[in-house]
Amino acid sequence: SQQGEEDPQALSIQEGENATMNCSYKTSINNLQWYRQNSGRGLVHLILIRSNEREKHSGRLRVTLDTSKKSSSLLITASRAADTASYFCATDSGGSNYKLTFGKGTLLTVNP
Amino acid sequence: SAVISQKPSRDICQRGTSLTIQCQVDSQVTMMFWYRQQPGQSLTLIATANQGSEATYESGFVIDKFPISRPNLTFSTLTVSNMSPEDSSIYLCSVWQGASYEQYFGPGTRLTVT
Repeated sequence: SQQGEEDPQALSIQEGENATMNCSYKTSINNLQWYRQNSGRGLVHLILIRSNEREKHSGRLRVTLDTSKKSSSLLITASRAADTASYFCATDSGGSNYKLTFGKGTLLTVNP
Repeated sequence: SAVISQKPSRDICQRGTSLTIQCQVDSQVTMMFWYRQQPGQSLTLIATANQGSEATYESGFVIDKFPISRPNLTFSTLTVSNMSPEDSSIYLCSVWQGASYEQYFGPGTRLTVT
């Protein structure tokens, strides 16, 4: 079963605007990772945030994690048409279990 | 991060046949995984490919349908056996190198079964 639930399922914005996607999960996690997938191709790793971290930045990306609410958000600032893709969150429970459980994903469309 | 390649990138197969997908990594990795992504859906873990031993399958996936090999620390194969149209999906391998918990994915194999 899916661990995470992303919302919104689809998001359409104009170039230059910010895009925020949310992810909720059900059980305790060790890490949460965000991935991007362009047109059904392979997944590109964006960022990993550990359960003891609250916020992380990478370029135009900002990820937050609230373990008390079992949720995370991905913010893309100053979006570009090239950011058009599906975005997935994935969690692992740590220890010797490195399996990832994926959310349903958010389809982001950035209009030029 | 590791560079991961998959072969074939896509294929169209007939019902009842089998297809073997290869995953090659440019460096030794600790763990390799196989995922399935059905059309319009998210990713579901099929199995963990164990080096030198039988793969560990997730609930709903069996070895007879998805035999997996991992002869060394840089290579693995997934076979989709006795295919039906319901097997039409993207199949992706991923690797975990051990330095951190980040997992990296191959470009995927898009399979269509007619």
